[in-house]
Amino acid sequence: DARVTQTPRHKVTEMGQEVTMRCQPILGHNTVFWYRQTMMQGLELLAYFRNRAPLDDSGMPKDRFSAEMPDATLATLKIQPSEPRDSAVYFCASGPPSPHEQYFGPGTRLTVT
Amino acid sequence: GESVGLHLPTLSVQEGDNSIINCAYSNSASDYFIWYKQESGKGPQFIIDIRSNMDKRQGQRVTVLLNKTVKHLSLQIAATQPGDSAVYFCAESDMRFGAGTRLTVKP
Repeated sequence: DARVTQTPRHKVTEMGQEVTMRCQPILGHNTVFWYRQTMMQGLELLAYFRNRAPLDDSGMPKDRFSAEMPDATLATLKIQPSEPRDSAVYFCASGPPSPHEQYFGPGTRLTVT
Repeated sequence: GESVGLHLPTLSVQEGDNSIINCAYSNSASDYFIWYKQESGKGPQFIIDIRSNMDKRQGQRVTVLLNKTVKHLSLQIAATQPGDSAVYFCAESDMRFGAGTRLTVKP
């Protein structure tokens, strides 16, 4: 049963610290998405990759957030420096070349104090 | 204290009844739409999608209707079960998600 995996599942950190979240997409999927979910804003798209190339990161605060795909089996989302307003659940999702559904991971719950 | 956040529309139905969840979308150029189900503590799960050149699509116990004239999408769940209790999101092809609707199924 292929699944998207995310690590860590929970992260508590202090303001100003660097946070790195990792995602392993489903083997064979060529699209990867990063989302943030909060009570205030709901589910927001942060970044989107196809074949490891970033296609859209307009939803991501560029000054502190960065998203990369070092290889086809790993996607990372970094926040440096983290701020309390970054507290949220961060989801990674991957999708096959066709059709266009997305398979979500279990999320990383980030708390910045 | 009371938390401030999105006020999700809620729908409460009796087990066995049919449920209809509605969604308004904004981008008339979207070429497909997707419904997701999110259970507590989990990531959203794909349910069904529909292309913009269709007005109806059926799956197992679910039907999605698309009305492009009024930019409206609905998800119908037949014979709703307690396991259907979740938040349901519609999403457009540009990956914008709606606020969601919380469905509660009473046994």
